[in-house]
Amino acid sequence: EVQLVQSGAEVKKPGESLEISCEASGYIFSNYWVAWVRQMPGKGLEWMGVIYPDDSDTRYSPSLQGHVTISADRSISTTFLQWNRLEASDTATYYCARQNYYGSGHFAMDVWGQGSTVTVS
Amino acid sequence: DIQLTQSPSFLSASVGDRVIITCRASQDISSYLAWYQQKPGKAPKLLIYAASTLQSGVPSRFSGSRSATEFILTISSLQPEDFATYYCQQLNSYPRTFGQGTKVEIK
Repeated sequence: EVQLVQSGAEVKKPGESLEISCEASGYIFSNYWVAWVRQMPGKGLEWMGVIYPDDSDTRYSPSLQGHVTISADRSISTTFLQWNRLEASDTATYYCARQNYYGSGHFAMDVWGQGSTVTVS
Repeated sequence: DIQLTQSPSFLSASVGDRVIITCRASQDISSYLAWYQQKPGKAPKLLIYAASTLQSGVPSRFSGSRSATEFILTISSLQPEDFATYYCQQLNSYPRTFGQGTKVEIK
């Protein structure tokens, strides 16, 4: 079964650092882009960035670049989302999702993690 | 960045109703658009990719279409399990923006 399993809920203080994870199984990890999506309380989905684990090619949303870092470790089939200095506005649920390729340039996020809730207060 | 504008933001409908949700892109994105369904407290679920291709396992009452930069998600006969929030997403370019969502509630 293809699945993404995320790390658990976190409660942190402003200024602290944090890394959350997303472990893939059931498919060849290196061959698929993995994206991170933010959902602030009561709000919509916001695309944060994506990484291709095979070569760590990474793209970020301009609004978040410099505030978060996305990385991957192929040896453990895991993608990470990291903050060096959290802010209260980082309070949200974070989802990882596999970006599948369907041919002719078409992609979509077909497998999602269960979400990791981060509270900064 | 490409902007996606969904309409309506909220709709109230009854079981058996035909529901139409529109997503308009700020520029040409060809057919590089996907639709997702999200229920409260759950991760989003892929419904449609490439504007009109149904993801495996998704009921056939869901369909998608495109006319230029306007995309439509249709639910032909709303079922109790369809009450949720729906999002479109463009995958033409980075950043891969989402629409603001359409919440479908029970009338």
